[in-house]
Amino acid sequence: ETGVTQTPRHLVMGMTNKKSLKCEQHLGHNAMYWYKQSAKKPLELMFVYNFKEQTENNSVPSRFSPECPNSSHLFLHLHTLQPEDSALYLCASSQDNRVGGYTFGSGTRLTVV
Amino acid sequence: GESVGLHLPTLSVQEGDNSIINCAYSNSASDYFIWYKQESGKGPQFIIDIRSNMDKRQGQRVTVLLNKTVKHLSLQIAATQPGDSAVYFCAETIAAGNKLTFGGGTRVLVKP
Repeated sequence: ETGVTQTPRHLVMGMTNKKSLKCEQHLGHNAMYWYKQSAKKPLELMFVYNFKEQTENNSVPSRFSPECPNSSHLFLHLHTLQPEDSALYLCASSQDNRVGGYTFGSGTRLTVV
Repeated sequence: GESVGLHLPTLSVQEGDNSIINCAYSNSASDYFIWYKQESGKGPQFIIDIRSNMDKRQGQRVTVLLNKTVKHLSLQIAATQPGDSAVYFCAETIAAGNKLTFGGGTRVLVKP
């Protein structure tokens, strides 16, 4: 484990379902991130949170809704997803936005059917 | 928009040989670069970084070279081992910010 824990590791959901991805970091970092990793595509930044405040939404569709209740926890709420949303969703954290200090979780493999 | 890209999608290398992974970037304002390694079933792991005021930085069995003139970044792995089999990503950013732009990744396959 890297210190960033993501659950579940795998998720299969229908297009009408509502589910949530969870990320927890035990590193004392104050910035957290959601990335999407699709086959044959670069890692795409979705959201950035600094001290629980969202500082970046990279034009992500509203069917993805992030929540950051505290600096250690980050959620990604999913509803009415499309098959093209199937991907590996990675959470990362860092201290004071220092990108060199990014620590990634192992990701949640999401399949939308 | 500006982006980071990789020249080769797959690199096969004999165990014990050296590996070279290349990356081109287009944002001339980028001044901080990172290489990540992603093994199957895991998230990306930091390997090595370099700032734009440097041309070369060495780690354990890895060396990153930066050529700002042609906006090119490379990762050299010495004496490649089976455990080096993974996808390698370069990423760039402006050090003062926190938004990483990732390249498309190169898969390294180490042949015994």
